Amino acid sequence: AQKITQTQPGMFVQEKEAVTLDCTYDTSDQSYGLFWYKQPSSGEMIFLIYQGSYDEQNATEGRYSLNFQKARKSANLVISASQLGDSAMYFCAMRGLRSQGNLIFGKGTKLSVKP
Amino acid sequence: GAGVSQSPSNKVTEKGKDVELRCDPISGHTALYWYRQSLGQGLEFLIYFQGNSAPDKSGLPSDRFSAERTGGSVSTLTIQRTQQEDSAVYLCASSPDRVLTAGYTFGSGTRLTVV
Repeated sequence: AQKITQTQPGMFVQEKEAVTLDCTYDTSDQSYGLFWYKQPSSGEMIFLIYQGSYDEQNATEGRYSLNFQKARKSANLVISASQLGDSAMYFCAMRGLRSQGNLIFGKGTKLSVKP
Repeated sequence: GAGVSQSPSNKVTEKGKDVELRCDPISGHTALYWYRQSLGQGLEFLIYFQGNSAPDKSGLPSDRFSAERTGGSVSTLTIQRTQQEDSAVYLCASSPDRVLTAGYTFGSGTRLTVV
């Protein structure tokens, strides 16, 4: 079975500091994609970053980077220079061949940025 | 349209009534997904439509739940004889194809409250 685990229900970070949100996954698929989404209090799901299982380099998108450690089945999200607007729920998700294209989500991490 | 549109944004219904939730995906997106998000939880997959193929209904929690997609565009999720445990935010998403790297675009969701 495919599974995403986010072990941090809540995190606090000081404004302008970096923060790492943990994500581990379990799959027997050889080819899969890993995604991070942000969900602010408004409820919309915002796509942040994607990492393919065969990508040799860690994905980066602006202040977001994905620390991909394939052997550990880990795909942590790093947010640099945190801003107040980063306060939101963050979901790690995976999409593999066995899930027939469905995104499987973790339970999320609530990030609160302190001024 | 410019984004995924869901209606209504909020729905309060009495236990035992039927409800219909609508999703209008991005024009040209062949894949459409329904997810359910209970309070403080991650996203639970419900059903997936891809083009003219038979839908993947493996996530539907009971036979009270059904969905259809007309003309490969608009989708309706129907919940019959609603129960209080059906209270959740129902999110619809669409993507352009089944390519692993294609991200989903989510709608703003329908918040269903069963009283």
